[in-house]
This record gives sequence, structure tokens and C-alpha cells, in this order.
Amino acid sequence: DQQVKQNSPSLSVQEGRISILNCDYTNSMFDYFLWYKKYPAEGPTFLISISSIKDKNEDGRFTVFLNKSAKHLSLHIVPSQPGDSAVYFCAALSNFGNEKLTFGTGTRLTIIP
Amino acid sequence: DAGVTQSPTHLIKTRGQQVTLRCSPKSGHDTVSWYQQALGQGPQFIFQYYEEEERQRGNFPDRFSGHQFPNYSSELNVNALLLGDSALYLCASSLTGVLNIQYFGAGTRLSVL
Repeated sequence: DQQVKQNSPSLSVQEGRISILNCDYTNSMFDYFLWYKKYPAEGPTFLISISSIKDKNEDGRFTVFLNKSAKHLSLHIVPSQPGDSAVYFCAALSNFGNEKLTFGTGTRLTIIP
Repeated sequence: DAGVTQSPTHLIKTRGQQVTLRCSPKSGHDTVSWYQQALGQGPQFIFQYYEEEERQRGNFPDRFSGHQFPNYSSELNVNALLLGDSALYLCASSLTGVLNIQYFGAGTRLSVL
């Protein structure tokens, strides 16, 4: 039962353009969402998060949008840079506490110079 | 400030053997979570330790057990290894009572032959 889904295994974007990574979830108990970035041979690195009481959170080039009614969130990277090439994981947790993270399967982003 | 450290980085075992993986949390963190990441998948939650006790457990058999020490470091033990246990094992640490941003180590790559 995949409660967090990333339906695009890979995405290629030209340098300088916008990258949009999507994530869908099925569990309505999730109330906090996170994006992690993972380079080969490294652990996932926290990127940005959003609470279910918000619909947008921005941090520099990264913006996360949450549509609760559609159970959908997206990560926008503008402008995309070569160093952004990595696997991006969407993760969710419930009760806004120290609960387990439920991850999607990841999207491999490749930025083309 | 040392981040989350895991040892060893790579390990090769044969079916039926037992393995112990180790994790030191980020300085100031008191909670340790373990995840298993199979090839092409997102990390799957195994269990979480806080105050030297297992606080939460994912859908993993009893062959997977753990321990947390007074200095907050943790071990993951897997008994009677199966071929399907081959994966990247990730440790994440966080601070209880604070927004649950989990910080990950680089992982231990376990191969079962």
C-alpha cells in the first residue's frame, strides 16, 4: 500500500528553467510534508517542508505547494542549476510529532547544462 | 558539528548470518530511527528509539531488532539474514519535542549472498 506516490521516476530540465516535481498521498492523517534530496553514496538531505495548515512555503530557489483537497504537493526549483541533479524524495508524517516518515519512491532530476 | 555517522559503510554477509549496524546521532539529538532502502525504492521505516526504548515499529519481522545506548547511539541487528535483506540501511536522528526534521547518515550498504 503506497501511501505516498511519486509517479515520475525521472525528469530532465534545462539549466535555468523551472523544475517541478510532483507527489501524491492517500492518507488524510498526514499533516506535515518534507522533501529530501539524495546524491549517490550520501544519505537523504532535508530540503524544505510544509505543514498542512499552509498551502505554500518558500526557501530561496525552492518552493513547495500543497493542495490538501487533491492530496497533492509539488516542489518547484527556480532557476534549476546543475548541482540540483539528484534523486528527490517526498515524505510525509502524521501528528506533527516524532513519528515515522513515509517516503515516496523518488524522482531522479537531471539538469542539462 | 558532526552529523549522523554510520558504520560500516559496506558489508557482505551470507544467508543465515547475523549482522550489527551502528549509528551515532547528530550532536544534541535524542531520537534515532532506522530505515531500509531497497534498490529503486524509497526508504521504509523499520523502528524508532527514544530513551533507550523502541517507540515505534514498522512492518518488519522480529529478525530486526535494535538498541539505543545512554549516549543516544544505536545499533540495528538483523538475524537469520535473507537474500531480500540486501539494501541500504539508513539511520536518522532528530530531537524529540521539536519539529521532526530527521537528519540522515550516509547509510550502510548490506549485501547478502
